[in-house]
Amino acid sequence: GQNIDQPTEMTATEGAIVQINCTYQTSGFNGLFWYQQHAGEAPTFLSYNVLDGLEEKGRFSSFLSRSKGYSYLLLKELQMKDSASYLCAMTTDSWGKLQFGAGTQVVVTP
Amino acid sequence: GAVVSQHPSWVICKSGTSVKIECRSLDFQATTMFWYRQFPKQSLMLMATSNEGSKATYEQGVEKDKFLINHASLTLSTLTVTSAHPEDSSFYICRPSGGADTQYFGPGTRLTVL
Repeated sequence: GQNIDQPTEMTATEGAIVQINCTYQTSGFNGLFWYQQHAGEAPTFLSYNVLDGLEEKGRFSSFLSRSKGYSYLLLKELQMKDSASYLCAMTTDSWGKLQFGAGTQVVVTP
Repeated sequence: GAVVSQHPSWVICKSGTSVKIECRSLDFQATTMFWYRQFPKQSLMLMATSNEGSKATYEQGVEKDKFLINHASLTLSTLTVTSAHPEDSSFYICRPSGGADTQYFGPGTRLTVL
């Protein structure tokens, strides 16, 4: 089976950095995705990690350690518009069938 | 990124009626289609996976006779909620997959059953 864990909520100040951790347990692993979802909208793709290491895309970075079953999403220079739910998702096959964590609600305060 | 559309974006219907949701991949061929639903304050739950030209595979607990999926072409898949009831009210989202393009969701359809 599969189990994906991420914190329920995190609060941070505008301009700060926040790190959202995601741990997973699975009998098979193909890759890990991070999505951003604003209330009432569909998820927006942020990043994809398949190999160990850090992937950087502007203010957002994602890290993966396959041996530890661990990933994190790093949000730098937080802006108010970054207030959203961040979803960690794992795929175990080449089709890209995704299983999602419960999501982390990030609240950015002035 | 890939362009995915869904229609309608929202729908309100009476209990007992059927609702069809369309998902189109506008700039790539979707050999596989994933359908998700999301209840308020919950994460996305995979409902079913379909491959073009063949029957869908449903996740445990999802009634295949209630949620009819058609994936007749590489650019269009439909989800029909038959005899909808208030508990079917949810946000339905598709995700077409074709080769390297696997990460983009449709904009979603919000279904409200009265």
